[in-house]
Amino acid sequence: DAGVIQSPRHEVTEMGQEVTLRCKPISGHNSLFWYRQTMMRGLELLIYFNNNVPIDDSGMPEDRFSAKMPNASFSTLKIQPSEPRDSAVYFCASSPGQGTTPSYGYTFGSGTRLTVV
Amino acid sequence: GDSVTQMEGPVTLSEEAFLTINCTYTATGYPSLFWYVQYPGEGLQLLLKATKADDKGSNKGFEATYRKETTSFHLEKGSVQVSDSAVYFCALSGGGGSNYKLTFGKGTLLTVNP
Repeated sequence: DAGVIQSPRHEVTEMGQEVTLRCKPISGHNSLFWYRQTMMRGLELLIYFNNNVPIDDSGMPEDRFSAKMPNASFSTLKIQPSEPRDSAVYFCASSPGQGTTPSYGYTFGSGTRLTVV
Repeated sequence: GDSVTQMEGPVTLSEEAFLTINCTYTATGYPSLFWYVQYPGEGLQLLLKATKADDKGSNKGFEATYRKETTSFHLEKGSVQVSDSAVYFCALSGGGGSNYKLTFGKGTLLTVNP
């Protein structure tokens, strides 16, 4: 099992550019989560998908952020246009089952460290 | 809403010292409680969990007991090793919020010196 795979591991971009972060969940997991980690705010849930459908996007900070899950094995988080305050580590996580709690297995990827200059 | 408060770091210990990282929570209902560990450059890994009051979670020599009366879930280890150096996060789910959502504390950096 390769785990949750995120790419790229590091991304440096200029303010105003579009950034796309990618995630491949564990095969068979049908819940997918995007989290953001910053020093100031810690770990925050951005969006939750179940069976490829966005269930809770209340954590998406603003319209510059969008997330998609076109199929069970791939998700993207896009920021357009990017700003320096978007600099953070973005984690993807997946878990099995519908409406599952983290008690049943919630696996995080290694994260993408985004720096916007 | 749900919240988790854990002790501010960083915590620096010598090898074989006793470790305690305090964690308290605020939630309605009966949340599940977790400790996650993040090693440098890696994602979060589940260290241990407890799903009801008085449950004790344990793994790799670490322990934490779900104390509903004090709304606490303190992490302990009797003898730390250099390899335990990492950031530790206390978290909860299924309190007043959604079952699927993890609410994290800010994290505590632990450094263990030889």
